Amino acid sequence: DAGITQSPRHKVTETGTPVTLRCHQTENHRYMYWYRQDPGHGLRLIHYSYGVKDTDKGEVSDGYSVSRSKTEDFLLTLESATSSQTSVYFCAISGLGLAVLDEQFFGPGTRLTVL
Amino acid sequence: DQQVKQNSPSLSVQEGRISILNCDYTNSMFDYFLWYKKYPAEGPTFLISISSIKDKNEDGRFTVFLNKSAKHLSLHIVPSQPGDSAVYFCAASANSGYALNFGKGTSLLVTP
Repeated sequence: DAGITQSPRHKVTETGTPVTLRCHQTENHRYMYWYRQDPGHGLRLIHYSYGVKDTDKGEVSDGYSVSRSKTEDFLLTLESATSSQTSVYFCAISGLGLAVLDEQFFGPGTRLTVL
Repeated sequence: DQQVKQNSPSLSVQEGRISILNCDYTNSMFDYFLWYKKYPAEGPTFLISISSIKDKNEDGRFTVFLNKSAKHLSLHIVPSQPGDSAVYFCAASANSGYALNFGKGTSLLVTP
């Protein structure tokens, strides 16, 4: 168990409302990631962080923002949720040591439904 | 454009036989490859990886083979067990190491 939790685990919201998903890790991994999983697409990277206050965009970043003010927390915000953002969101962590090329460990996921 | 492709959405194998899951990639910059296993309502779990300097890596019942010239890798599970029934994702990263590019997954069913 890599010590990674996500909250909330399930959320239903309405179009146009802001939503924030939280990823929390307890093992001091340097890198943190947000992915979304949709049928027919596998997992796609939204944003990632390579350190506190250091973030960058992934493949599907439009409509999302992130923040990382401390090592253990990585927040994903949907400023104004749309139905196309209905998905399962996974947080992942990596980089416990100096190696960049190591496996990513995934959280349990957050199922978000935008009505 | 999908850079990692798993062309078989599903695979059914009898218990005790070999399961072979295939993955193709298009980006020649990829140098690290991973397989993840995913059960419903859970996050993906890391299974095995291989770097581009190798052509084979084994871990117990799981072996990954990499053919760089063909841009192809495969995961062999021997012997297959009913608990192996899950969705398997192939993933790859380039030398930055940050982003993983995932395939769409192959659903493996191991029947008794």
